[in-house]
Amino acid sequence: AQSVAQPEDQVNVAEGNPLTVKCTYSVSGNPYLFWYVQYPNRGLQFLLKYITGDNLVKGSYGFEAEFNKSQTSFHLKKPSALVSDSALYFCAVSADYGGSQGNLIFGKGTKLSVKP
Amino acid sequence: NAGVTQTPKFRVLKTGQSMTLLCAQDMNHEYMYWYRQDPGMGLRLIHYSVGEGTTAKGEVPDGYNVSRLKKQNFLLGLESAAPSQTSVYFCASSYTYGYTFGSGTRLTVV
Repeated sequence: AQSVAQPEDQVNVAEGNPLTVKCTYSVSGNPYLFWYVQYPNRGLQFLLKYITGDNLVKGSYGFEAEFNKSQTSFHLKKPSALVSDSALYFCAVSADYGGSQGNLIFGKGTKLSVKP
Repeated sequence: NAGVTQTPKFRVLKTGQSMTLLCAQDMNHEYMYWYRQDPGMGLRLIHYSVGEGTTAKGEVPDGYNVSRLKKQNFLLGLESAAPSQTSVYFCASSYTYGYTFGSGTRLTVV
């Protein structure tokens, strides 16, 4: 069965410092990996995805994530955090079913708080 | 291009009442999903559909029914609401990789 773990309920970072939000996954076969962000009282917005190819993927708002197959991880990173990055971040995974995507399974979310 | 639209945005129900949540997408996506979001639980899949006229159960389907009579619409029904169904409900649609989400429906059952 597929699963996603976000080991930190909350991450606190000072503005201007680098940030990392951790995600590990478990799937049978090749994974499709995603990061979404949710601002208060809003729906989820797509940040970036890994399907295949380069292990380092770049997404919206300066975020990037690195796919590490041996560690089954897909950590979200940003070199310099902004106060406006404060939000709830979700990692999600699905399995590759012969080139089509299975259902997305979401982690429980990590609240990112960036202080001025 | 509206994307994924959910109605209503807010609703308060009494225990035992019924209601239907509507999800509409204008992107011609084949796949549609209903999730519920609860604090500390992330998003959990209720039901999904891989095409018009098809539906399937997700992780937490009990107490809910769905219908996909038209490709663009995916309805979520609560026949007899319970306080445990108090949650924020999100609809999503997809074509290949990744989902597009609606803005959510906040449901309170008292």
